[in-house]
Amino acid sequence: NAGVTQTPKFRVLKTGQSMTLLCAQDMNHEYMYWYRQDPGMGLRLIHYSVGEGTTAKGEVPDGYNVSRLKKQNFLLGLESAAPSQTSVYFCASSPDRINFYGYTFGSGTRLTVV
Amino acid sequence: AQTVTQSQPEMSVQEAETVTLSCTYDTSESDYYLFWYKQPPSRQMILVIRQEAYKQQNATENRFSVNFQKAAKSFSLKISDSQLGDAAMYFCASSNDYKLSFGAGTTVTVRA
Repeated sequence: NAGVTQTPKFRVLKTGQSMTLLCAQDMNHEYMYWYRQDPGMGLRLIHYSVGEGTTAKGEVPDGYNVSRLKKQNFLLGLESAAPSQTSVYFCASSPDRINFYGYTFGSGTRLTVV
Repeated sequence: AQTVTQSQPEMSVQEAETVTLSCTYDTSESDYYLFWYKQPPSRQMILVIRQEAYKQQNATENRFSVNFQKAAKSFSLKISDSQLGDAAMYFCASSNDYKLSFGAGTTVTVRA
């Protein structure tokens, strides 16, 4: 029972480099989300998707892009990493809005931009 | 954007005692859900308790219970008989349609 799997778990980037974070879920969930967690700020929504082929901006989308070509995968891209993007990134999923039971979370990716 | 406020950055409790974490939220939704999540040092986000806003009865999960005051938009978490394994950061969250907004978190330390 894998649930939500994030890769990689840790990464160090140099300023200006690009990378993609992969989120995969095996629960056939419609909705998927990317959050970043910073000290004293909780979790803030970057982008989300309400189904295959759809994406939408969240609270802090600048500097990030996303894609959801397959229902089970949600990719978060950083085109030109900046030190301000040093954070812990969480992917999450949920089946639908009806009787909302919250999210299933991945285990997070710690990203450091130097 | 919805706002969730946790006014206590840190709380300390003696083992076997009770601690209450505060949370207030701001929403224009009539149908919403409230949650408390626990994040231990492993970083994994674990659902502690869930409250449906249209239910007046406070949710309870074993040693965890909430005090839901809808008119005041308050949703506090009470941890009874605290255990060393309860040490973690706790996040309050409210739903806006199918998205969650989170508070800044409260770090709970349990003293042996």
